[in-house]
Amino acid sequence: SAVISQKPSRDICQRGTSLTIQCQVDSQVTMMFWYRQQPGQSLTLIATANQGSEATYESGFVIDKFPISRPNLTFSTLTVSNMSPEDSSIYLCSVVMGSSGANVLTFGAGSRLTVL
Amino acid sequence: DAKTTQPNSMESNEEEPVHLPCNHSTISGTDYIHWYRQLPSQGPEYVIHGLTSNVNNRMASLAIAEDRKSSTLILHRATLRDAAVYYCILRRTSYGKLTFGQGTILTVHP
Repeated sequence: SAVISQKPSRDICQRGTSLTIQCQVDSQVTMMFWYRQQPGQSLTLIATANQGSEATYESGFVIDKFPISRPNLTFSTLTVSNMSPEDSSIYLCSVVMGSSGANVLTFGAGSRLTVL
Repeated sequence: DAKTTQPNSMESNEEEPVHLPCNHSTISGTDYIHWYRQLPSQGPEYVIHGLTSNVNNRMASLAIAEDRKSSTLILHRATLRDAAVYYCILRRTSYGKLTFGQGTILTVHP
């Protein structure tokens, strides 16, 4: 399975600022996803990062707030823009190799953001 | 996406088997049944998946009902390290993404 490196692992941010999270994979992958996990909650899919084109966002998430880039098959970034305390969450990158429903997802360790 | 229903929490004693149930009555023919778990302070990790037949791997077994409307994840001998949130998820071929429910919090007592 793929090995995922997420940076930063944690950060404390000020209200109104933006932070970019990086996801680097050690091999080429078919699909990359970004999830959010709010305190004490399950994971919520933010978007699918598409190589060379705009990400596909889930209901409730918009590009202006969570711009995503994926310049190649091994790297993606998620920016959390104009942060507020409600954005305090763990943000996780996930990847899958292959396009079958049998293909499993591998998750990064997550980036824990605290917004003051 | 088809929905899954799991108990909020379950408890087990160390060294005993654990059966984690999942109902998915609206499953479609192309949905794979995936199980992931999330240990404290970690990202989710893959446990097992199946389509129609029961599956075994080094971590667990997956028993799938004949009508596929339910499944059970079996941990044969629970250890303290198995304490985690276990997610049962249906994944379709054409979409690729995983939609997480609330999962089952498994507590393992020494």
